[in-house]
Amino acid sequence: AQKITQTQPGMFVQEKEAVTLDCTYDTSDQSYGLFWYKQPSSGEMIFLIYQGSYDEQNATEGRYSLNFQKARKSANLVISASQLGDSAMYFCAMRGSFSSGGYQKVTFGTGTKLQVIP
Amino acid sequence: NAGVTQTPKFQVLKTGQSMTLQCAQDMNHNSMYWYRQDPGMGLRLIYYSASEGTTDKGEVPNGYNVSRLNKREFSLRLESAAPSQTSVYFCASSEGAGLNSPLHFGNGTRLTVT
Repeated sequence: AQKITQTQPGMFVQEKEAVTLDCTYDTSDQSYGLFWYKQPSSGEMIFLIYQGSYDEQNATEGRYSLNFQKARKSANLVISASQLGDSAMYFCAMRGSFSSGGYQKVTFGTGTKLQVIP
Repeated sequence: NAGVTQTPKFQVLKTGQSMTLQCAQDMNHNSMYWYRQDPGMGLRLIYYSASEGTTDKGEVPNGYNVSRLNKREFSLRLESAAPSQTSVYFCASSEGAGLNSPLHFGNGTRLTVT
């Protein structure tokens, strides 16, 4: 079984500052993928960034980067130069674990609500 | 480009009523999913379909059925709605089952069962 843990229910950050959202995971798989999604108050789920378990470099997408520490089983999202529009729920997710049908399911954490303060 | 389209956006049901949530994607994706989102619990997988013609149970399948009508469409049916099924339902699709294949979500259906 795989599990994603996000221990920060809510966070505040000052506009233009950087913020780190924590994510730890548990899996017995050797190969897996890690994702972060953003959910604004409007409700849609937006894919932000991906990290593969065998990727040696941390993933980056614009102001988003993923601080991947495989030995610690952590995949923290770093948002640089926060903007008011970054206020949202953020979900960490993992793809791995073959089901009996040989398919890989995506498991989500409970999310972190980020509020950017002007 | 519409992506993943879900209907309806909102629905109120009485206990015992049935309904079908519709989902269609225009990205030619092979895999489709239904999740429910409840406060403090993240997203939980109800059912998924790895490819046209196949479906499988997720974490919380009880009380639901699905149909993969064709490659584009994946519907979720509540046969006898219960208050515990009050939730926000998301349909998603992915190109395949590869580790680097992200989910693309619809805008969700907010369902209330009274």
